[in-house]
Amino acid sequence: EPEVTQTPSHQVTQMGQEVILRCVPISNHLYFYWYRQILGQKVEFLVSFYNNEISEKSEIFDDQFSVERPDGSNFTLKIRSTKLEDSAMYFCASSPGLGTVTFYEQFFGPGTRLTVL
Amino acid sequence: DQQVKQNSPSLSVQEGRISILNCDYTNSMFDYFLWYKKYPAEGPTFLISISSIKDKNEDGRFTVFLNKSAKHLSLHIVPSQPGDSAVYFCAALLQGAQKLVFGQGTRLTINP
Repeated sequence: EPEVTQTPSHQVTQMGQEVILRCVPISNHLYFYWYRQILGQKVEFLVSFYNNEISEKSEIFDDQFSVERPDGSNFTLKIRSTKLEDSAMYFCASSPGLGTVTFYEQFFGPGTRLTVL
Repeated sequence: DQQVKQNSPSLSVQEGRISILNCDYTNSMFDYFLWYKKYPAEGPTFLISISSIKDKNEDGRFTVFLNKSAKHLSLHIVPSQPGDSAVYFCAALLQGAQKLVFGQGTRLTINP
């Protein structure tokens, strides 16, 4: 069964450093997402991406964050200058998009645990 | 953001019995509702969804019920199995939007 994959599974970084989290969405999906879950809190939406541009973003997704689809398979989240409060599990997700009955169903990857020291 | 609420942080059920997980929402503009299951250190796994135009959707042991007038949905798992022990999240999607709004989750424990 196709699945979303993410690398690395755990990333430790120093405050102020840049990190790039990588995802490979399900191959025929058209919409891609990043969510995060701070320990003990809800899963929160960060950004959605469609047709090579951001389609929706939350107030969390400020200028320190960016997303990119550098090739036909990868989808990345970059945090330019990490802060302590960026420590969280980051989940990538993808969905089929319009044209399918279940266009709205989002499938999640296993997550990257980001620890900012 | 309390648009989606799961008021029970935990639930314990005997193996073979029915598990009922509840979720309430406040925004009547939600179009779709989804349930996810999550094991520690893994991503949420999609279980079942329901459109706001339906009141029931069934898939194997999982059934989701939607009561729009009460802004309430529930997930029924029957019969419950030990492998069902996990955290269950309810999530909702607004009309025309892509972001899922999640509840806090309910930890389900199935006792042998």
